[in-house]
Amino acid sequence: VQLVESGGGLVQPGGSLRLSCAVSGFTFSSYAMSWVRQAPGKGLEWVSGISGSGGSTYHADSVKGRFTISRDNSKNTLYLQMNSLRAEDTALYYCAKHGGLQLSTATLCDYWGQGTLVTVSS
Amino acid sequence: SYELTQPPSVSVSPGQTASITCSGNNLGEKYVWWHQQKPGQSPVVVIYQDKKRPSGIPERFSGSNSGNTATLTISGTQAMDEADYYCQAWDSRTSHVVFGGGTKLTVL
Repeated sequence: VQLVESGGGLVQPGGSLRLSCAVSGFTFSSYAMSWVRQAPGKGLEWVSGISGSGGSTYHADSVKGRFTISRDNSKNTLYLQMNSLRAEDTALYYCAKHGGLQLSTATLCDYWGQGTLVTVSS
Repeated sequence: SYELTQPPSVSVSPGQTASITCSGNNLGEKYVWWHQQKPGQSPVVVIYQDKKRPSGIPERFSGSNSGNTATLTISGTQAMDEADYYCQAWDSRTSHVVFGGGTKLTVL
């Protein structure tokens, strides 16, 4: 199982960024995925999740209306579109694989990528 | 929103048993995952579904979950176990994944 994030960088407040997570080593469409972030020196914060088919998406209250999670199962790639970025969105963003098709109590994160750093600053 | 509470830090002597707790309302009704994160590295799951160990995780790692508290236990703690540990659960009411604030385990 490999998860490789990309797309991070420096962006001004109010700007946009799209993160990608290219996966290999498993049947991508059979597993839910999530984005989880970690601000410098802080703990893990779940951001968004998506079912294996892409038909169900979920977002933390802190990003709802600004971030959109999506996936392209033909390209084995997960995305996070981030708009109206704020300084408090500065973090290392990880993509994580779940243990089943849906996000549920029995199928939480079992593999993590290396992360991509997003810095929101003027 | 559902909250998971962990102690900020736990200290243990080498060879002794470390216990890290994770508290939440009726947490025993949910499955709990535990993730280990060493400095500069990505998290790694060490316990899933309360008490199951992924392949490659040493037997000294074990988990339990009952009532309002889940516990990660590390028996015969080694220096290599020094890390941050996070509990994780699913809040079915909001359909959100929830993490505890993390516990820094120091082996001294």
